[in-house]
Amino acid sequence: DTGVSQNPRHKITKRGQNVTFRCDPISEHNRLYWYRQTLGQGPEFLTYFQNEAQLEKSRLLSDRFSAERPKGSFSTLEIQRTEQGDSAMYLCASSFFTSYEQYFGPGTRLTVT
Amino acid sequence: TQLLEQSPQFLSIQEGENLTVYCNSSSVFSSLQWYRQEPGEGPVLLVTVVTGGEVKKLKRLTFQFGDARKDSSLHITAAQPGDTGLYLCAGPDRGATNKLIFGTGTLLAVQP
Repeated sequence: DTGVSQNPRHKITKRGQNVTFRCDPISEHNRLYWYRQTLGQGPEFLTYFQNEAQLEKSRLLSDRFSAERPKGSFSTLEIQRTEQGDSAMYLCASSFFTSYEQYFGPGTRLTVT
Repeated sequence: TQLLEQSPQFLSIQEGENLTVYCNSSSVFSSLQWYRQEPGEGPVLLVTVVTGGEVKKLKRLTFQFGDARKDSSLHITAAQPGDTGLYLCAGPDRGATNKLIFGTGTLLAVQP
């Protein structure tokens, strides 16, 4: 299967802990996006990479959030000092540079207790 | 700010019925995409419409892009329980990133 994969699928953590999520995009895709989705809403853009360069970050992404894409392959999203408001589904998507079409992974469901 | 509004928000119908979901904006989009999302999963791309007035068919699903490229509709004929899910329209932001702006979503439940 060459789709987008995300790990872990579910994460339960206590407030104040740090968490890290991983995304493996479709191998030929050079663009990688992170979105956040809360229950009953559409996904909201968080950040975007073209190859290894992080080119845009949403104002939703506070200083507690950091994302990397070393070597332009997989990406990680870290949340430090988690808060209950961080509870959401974190989605990763990838695409070709020239395409509007993004392909999503299954997401990581984060619950902060 | 580019916004996409979907209607209705919720739809509960019986198997075999037809339905239409709408996606509207005051902004022009270069393309619009429709996704279906099942609980606990990521959105799955159904179709991309690019040309104003374009109609695309995917089995029992018919997608239309408005002439002015500000709106789109999804029509499902003879709905089946397997069509149940959250339907999302999305369009690329005007900037260089092509980040997607998603609609508010339509939650469809098809009862057997």
